[in-house]
Amino acid sequence: GESVGLHLPTLSVQEGDNSIINCAYSNSASDYFIWYKQESGKGPQFIIDIRSNMDKRQGQRVTVLLNKTVKHLSLQIAATQPGDSAVYFCAENAFGGYNKLIFGAGTRLAVHP
Amino acid sequence: DADVTQTPRNRITKTGKRIMLECSQTKGHDRMYWYRQDPGLGLRLIYYSFDVKDINKGEISDGYSVSRQAQAKFSLSLESAIPNQTALYFCATSDFGTPKLFFGEGSRLTVL
Repeated sequence: GESVGLHLPTLSVQEGDNSIINCAYSNSASDYFIWYKQESGKGPQFIIDIRSNMDKRQGQRVTVLLNKTVKHLSLQIAATQPGDSAVYFCAENAFGGYNKLIFGAGTRLAVHP
Repeated sequence: DADVTQTPRNRITKTGKRIMLECSQTKGHDRMYWYRQDPGLGLRLIYYSFDVKDINKGEISDGYSVSRQAQAKFSLSLESAIPNQTALYFCATSDFGTPKLFFGEGSRLTVL
């Protein structure tokens, strides 16, 4: 498979633990945020999104938290599984209605049995 | 079948050659994008198109061109490939009114 993000920060967790992946975004006017998961050799897959008028949004085993005061976004994964091992990207919609996402560099999540 | 299909998935070429990467989608979305991914970097936008008659440069468009042949097809060309264009290229689509992108599986390009 592809080696994506060879020099990315890595978060190592034990299977069954909760994972928290953090992201700092750049534009205080960004109105929409999204998390993607990218497995080796594949394209990024949508996980969860949140609009700037919300602080928290939950999905299946995932929660996104938005702190606009410090321009911080986090992705929480409950009961992390080996299949969660991947690179995770956050992105912000920094141009309002122009709909162009700006991506972070990504974090590699390694889940150990 | 994939909603966003990229061809070729892998390509090795030589400096100076012309290369075309093709993307087709069955999602019915008007908006299509080409991104580049390099190790340690996030996805960077090369070009985007909001409809068949609309083409816009992204942050790293130099050395690339695009063609939107139809609503469902968006191709990326490298007129004269150079080694620093070695990267993983992704096509993506989005629906009107949302920034949420749907990605293809990627095209790995190596320029020797």
